[in-house]
Amino acid sequence: GEKVEQHQSTLSVREGDSAVINCTYTDTASSYFPWYKQEAGKSLHFVIDIRSNVDRKQSQRLTVLLDKKAKRFSLHITATQPEDSAIYFCAASPNTGNYKYVFGAGTRLKVIA
Amino acid sequence: GPKVLQIPSHQIIDMGQMVTLNCDPVSNHLYFYWYKQILGQQMEFLVNFYNGKVMEKSKLFKDQFSVERPDGSYFTLKIQPTALEDSAVYFCASSLGQGESDYTFGSGTRLLVI
Repeated sequence: GEKVEQHQSTLSVREGDSAVINCTYTDTASSYFPWYKQEAGKSLHFVIDIRSNVDRKQSQRLTVLLDKKAKRFSLHITATQPEDSAIYFCAASPNTGNYKYVFGAGTRLKVIA
Repeated sequence: GPKVLQIPSHQIIDMGQMVTLNCDPVSNHLYFYWYKQILGQQMEFLVNFYNGKVMEKSKLFKDQFSVERPDGSYFTLKIQPTALEDSAVYFCASSLGQGESDYTFGSGTRLLVI
């Protein structure tokens, strides 16, 4: 089955710098890749997604890149702010029609003021 | 925005006892899910549920687990009997369908089996 690897367990950046979180997946049939943010004690909140028919999607300070050949996708956050500090989870949705997500282990992003 | 509520937020239970985790999904959502996250590990899919039936379950969804949503009330995960390895945070989620940003998670129920 699908496996999603999120290699950075923690990432620290200075406020105003960019942050990049990388994920890889194994199942070429996966076609949908959402990202979620989890702040301490709160639920996961959707931040951005990308479908396999495009290789780039931007929403304000967030950009997701998808490299289907390398089976890799990444979240880029520009002009980071302290409120961006959270755990970020990537996920892949295998194209089974059952809408389940396979998650990475999460990356704890710390934005240092 | 719309929320998925999970009750209780924490539960401590003796091994061998039954526990029911409750989830109040977003009101117009059609698909319901449970995920399990052991401390320090990945969140893993357990089961999804649509139109009154289990659609798919993972190998983590042991025979001791069951789900139901009687008459549109809470979507529940029941574990009977519980085992020590069931200790984890259980996240409920609901969605309208495939690949939509409305796929909404609850805050999780932290279950400790002692």
